[in-house]
Parts: sequence; C-alpha cells; structure tokens
Amino acid sequence: DTAVSQTPKYLVTQMGNDKSIKCEQNLGHDTMYWYKQDSKKFLKIMFSYNNKELIINETVPNRFSPKSPDKAHLNLHINSLELGDSAVYFCASSHAREVETQYFGPGTRLLVL
Amino acid sequence: AQTVTQSQPEMSVQEAETVTLSCTYDTSESNYYLFWYKQPPSRQMILVIRQEAYKQQNATENRFSVNFQKAAKSFSLKISDSQLGDTAMYFCAFGRKKLTFGTGTRLTIIP
Repeated sequence: DTAVSQTPKYLVTQMGNDKSIKCEQNLGHDTMYWYKQDSKKFLKIMFSYNNKELIINETVPNRFSPKSPDKAHLNLHINSLELGDSAVYFCASSHAREVETQYFGPGTRLLVL
Repeated sequence: AQTVTQSQPEMSVQEAETVTLSCTYDTSESNYYLFWYKQPPSRQMILVIRQEAYKQQNATENRFSVNFQKAAKSFSLKISDSQLGDTAMYFCAFGRKKLTFGTGTRLTIIP
C-alpha cells in the first residue's frame, strides 16, 4: 500500500542518453512535484502539477520535461543527460485541503557516467 | 527571495537525551506552513512535524515538538528521549505549494 512510488530506484546511464523516471501516488492528491537533491543533500523544487496542469516551473534546463497523464502520475523525462544531472530525484504529492503537506516518494538515484 | 538557514551542519547526542535543532527562515509572506522532514540512511523523506504559521500554539507529535517564533522567523525542533532510530538528516522547510528547504542537520544518536 505504497503512498508515493517511483521507478526506477536506481538509474545508471551514459552521458547523452535519454531517460525517464515514473511517479505514482495512491493518496488521492491533486498536486504532484519533482525535487532534485544534489550531492550536498540540498533539495530544490523543479516542477509542480495540479490536476495535470503545470503550476511551478523553476529554472530548469529544457532537457527536463515533466508529463502528467492523470492526477495520480507525474513522470520526468530527461534528454541528453549530462554529468551534472547526477542526483537523487524525489517525487512528492499533496492535497490542498490537508495543510498542503507534501509526501515524498523513496527517490531515484541517477548516476550519469 | 525565500531562504531557510540551518546553522548546525552536524550534531550528536547520547541516547535518551534531548536535542534541539535550529532553523530560521526569511519570507515576506504572511500565510505559509513550516515543516521538519527526516531523511534516514534509507534516503526516504519522512514528515516529522508541521506547523501552520497562523497558529500560535506550537505543534507536538509524541517526542517531537517545535518552538515557533513567528516574529523572529525561527522554527526549532526539539526531540525528547532521543532514540537510535532518530539518527538521520533533518531538513527544515517552509512554504505552500513550493517548499524551500534548508541545508539540513545531520543528527547522530550515540548508544
């Protein structure tokens, strides 16, 4: 009965490749997020979707493209991967009626070689 | 710009002791929420406690409590009767839809 799940948990790939990370939540939330945690553990928001609509788009290279097919899913596609993309990517979800508390997935560790 | 400062990069305490982690933030908003998240070695981000900025009463969750000083923009976390399982990185965060995180405090509970 996982609340927020991400696949894969680990991703090792070569520079220049294209990869996707999937996120699903079964909490009935209406808002989903992508965060990036760098090697120094700093967490920064990348995107947020509310009811499949993009509401937050931080300064992120356009090689990163989020897609939300429905309220329960938010995927992250990354084109032309670079060494600096190596990080842990967290998906999160929230519901506006519940103090907007964000619940996080287990993270996807991406290593670009 | 919104910022969160956690001035203690690392802390360690003996098991069963009480420890306080500090957090200060800067914002021009008046309506926001504050959170403490815990990240153990498993990497999972776990919500520890949350506080609505409009509430004066400090939030409490079992052994975890906060000291929220809105005027000073301070939001410290107190862990009472610390346990080995409390060993983790602790992140302070605030905001609404968009959370701004601090740089974290690595807490080690010593047996």
